[in-house]
Amino acid sequence: EDKVVQSPLSLVVHEGDTVTLNCSYEVTNFRSLLWYKQEKKAPTFLFMLTSSGIEKKSGRLSSILDKKELFSILNITATQTGDSAIYLCAVEAYSGAGSYQLTFGKGTKLSVIP
Amino acid sequence: NAGVTQTPKFQVLKTGQSMTLQCAQDMNHNSMYWYRQDPGMGLRLIYYSASEGTTDKGEVPNGYNVSRLNKREFSLRLESAAPSQTSVYFCASTPKGGVSYEQYFGPGTRLTVT
Repeated sequence: EDKVVQSPLSLVVHEGDTVTLNCSYEVTNFRSLLWYKQEKKAPTFLFMLTSSGIEKKSGRLSSILDKKELFSILNITATQTGDSAIYLCAVEAYSGAGSYQLTFGKGTKLSVIP
Repeated sequence: NAGVTQTPKFQVLKTGQSMTLQCAQDMNHNSMYWYRQDPGMGLRLIYYSASEGTTDKGEVPNGYNVSRLNKREFSLRLESAAPSQTSVYFCASTPKGGVSYEQYFGPGTRLTVT
């Protein structure tokens, strides 16, 4: 059974802090790892990672994948209150007959206080 | 483009009642998915449709049925609702089955079964 574990489950930081969110996985037929941000409604896409060691960056957010050690991290620098959200990690794996599925972790709830 | 739309946004059912959650996308995507999200559980895949005319079970299919009516629409049916099906349901779509693309999520349906 595919498994995705995120840590910590929740985190409270002050504005301006830097945070690192972790995601480890055990899946068969790995294809990619994705990060989503979920505020009040549907998750919104942040990054897709397919290759080890290549950092993806978008503003203050960055992410990297280690396919040997089976984990990814999401870094947020100079946090702002608008970064408060649940961050979801998902792993895409081949499920047979030309189909792929996402398995999600439980999420990390980040709260940024002024 | 409206993206992925879901109806209804909220629903309250009594145990044993049936209902259908509707999902439609106007992005000409091939693959569509239904997830449920419970507090502290992340998103779990119920059913997916890699392409028009095909449907497959995900991680938690029991108590649900789906129909891929055409390329645009993918509905989720609860034949006899149970309190354990109280959850937020998200529909998602991707451009092409078998390719690593981000999933586009609908706004969600909050279902309560009493």
